[in-house]
Amino acid sequence: DSGVTQTPKHLITATGQRVTLRCSPRSGDLSVYWYQQSLDQGLQFLIQYYNGEERAKGNILERFSAQQFPDLHSELNLSSLELGDSALYFCASSVATMDTQYFGPGTRLTVL
Amino acid sequence: QKEVEQDPGPLSVPEGAIVSLNCTYSNSAFQYFMWYRQYSRKGPELLMYTYSSGNKEDGRFTAQVDKSSKYISLFIRDSQPSDSATYLCAMSANAGGTSYGKLTFGQGTILTVHP
Repeated sequence: DSGVTQTPKHLITATGQRVTLRCSPRSGDLSVYWYQQSLDQGLQFLIQYYNGEERAKGNILERFSAQQFPDLHSELNLSSLELGDSALYFCASSVATMDTQYFGPGTRLTVL
Repeated sequence: QKEVEQDPGPLSVPEGAIVSLNCTYSNSAFQYFMWYRQYSRKGPELLMYTYSSGNKEDGRFTAQVDKSSKYISLFIRDSQPSDSATYLCAMSANAGGTSYGKLTFGQGTILTVHP
């Protein structure tokens, strides 16, 4: 158990809908990262927050957004969902940027 | 061309074999190199973390980094069935760049160790 928690574990929804994925980092970690894992693209970095501020951005779609709250938990919002958004979404946390990243168990999103 | 290339396998070996996993990369800004292990339906778990070139050993695992060749390796000695998983190499750039903190992963190699 890495200490990073993610909810929900599974999410099934329809195209065009909006969902919110939640992540709680390890105690003491200030940095949160979101990754998407699909069979064809592998594990892809989406976005990073450090102590509430956006720090780095990857190939995140405009339909996706994230934020980190004062209690350091983070949410990833996915809107106007498409079939191709079906994937595993992982959150990771670290004490600070460039420290070891610890991954949560992931949220499996299925878009029908 | 992807920044990080990793042979997806699958790789099947008998118990006790030495396993060699490799990744090549093209971005010379990468300074930090990691190997993660991912069991089915689980999150990636950090195995090894190295900075710049050199070797690092931890039990049955040895990580090697050759920055001049842009090539990293993970060796598993005396492999066990419990080592059966997907192994992902990951890299990140040095401080100050726009990719600061971002991990770039290889595609992952599926390893099966059979008794």
